[in-house]
Amino acid sequence: KAGVTQTPRYLIKTRGQQVTLSCSPISGHRSVSWYQQTPGQGLQFLFEYFSETQRNKGNFPGRFSGRQFSNSRSEMNVSTLELGDSALYLCASSSGRGVNTEAFFGQGTRLTVV
Amino acid sequence: GESVGLHLPTLSVQEGDNSIINCAYSNSASDYFIWYKQESGKGPQFIIDIRSNMDKRQGQRVTVLLNKTVKHLSLQIAATQPGDSAVYFCAENRPRFQGAQKLVFGQGTRLTINP
Repeated sequence: KAGVTQTPRYLIKTRGQQVTLSCSPISGHRSVSWYQQTPGQGLQFLFEYFSETQRNKGNFPGRFSGRQFSNSRSEMNVSTLELGDSALYLCASSSGRGVNTEAFFGQGTRLTVV
Repeated sequence: GESVGLHLPTLSVQEGDNSIINCAYSNSASDYFIWYKQESGKGPQFIIDIRSNMDKRQGQRVTVLLNKTVKHLSLQIAATQPGDSAVYFCAENRPRFQGAQKLVFGQGTRLTINP
């Protein structure tokens, strides 16, 4: 069973640009969550999508957005990039059903803003 | 922002010894906790989880203990091996409703296994 796939693995962008990251969850999983990991703030929750609907949101500015497609693949977009957006962006896949379910992470996308 | 606290940022143990990594959480309503292991250049890897109706759960070489009275969580790794060297995170799920995912992570403990 294939794991969570994130593309691309690495990105370098300039301040002011926008970026789109992609995540393909484990087959059969319908929930995709996104996290930002930085040395200073650690792992911070961005948002969660389930059946193409955002059902949880973290405390990030509106420049951070996401969406989910009918095949459960998800994308997140960051507009007007700032230097502080440099981070490892991780997505996690889970079934999304039941009381509490395991979340499995991808390798992440390393974004560097210069 | 929100966080689950950890007591130590680094921990060094001898190969073959047992290690204990601690975590404190603040939300008494949290009912699901997970430990993750993250190796350099990789995403967090699920190790073990525990629900609030349990005090202890065991896996292969790992045990998680939950003390709801003092809101404390620990991960015990038995007979540590070089491959156990990594950063370990505790996380709690704080969803808006059942089935949803919103993991709140601690800052992590870097475990180093000395030969």
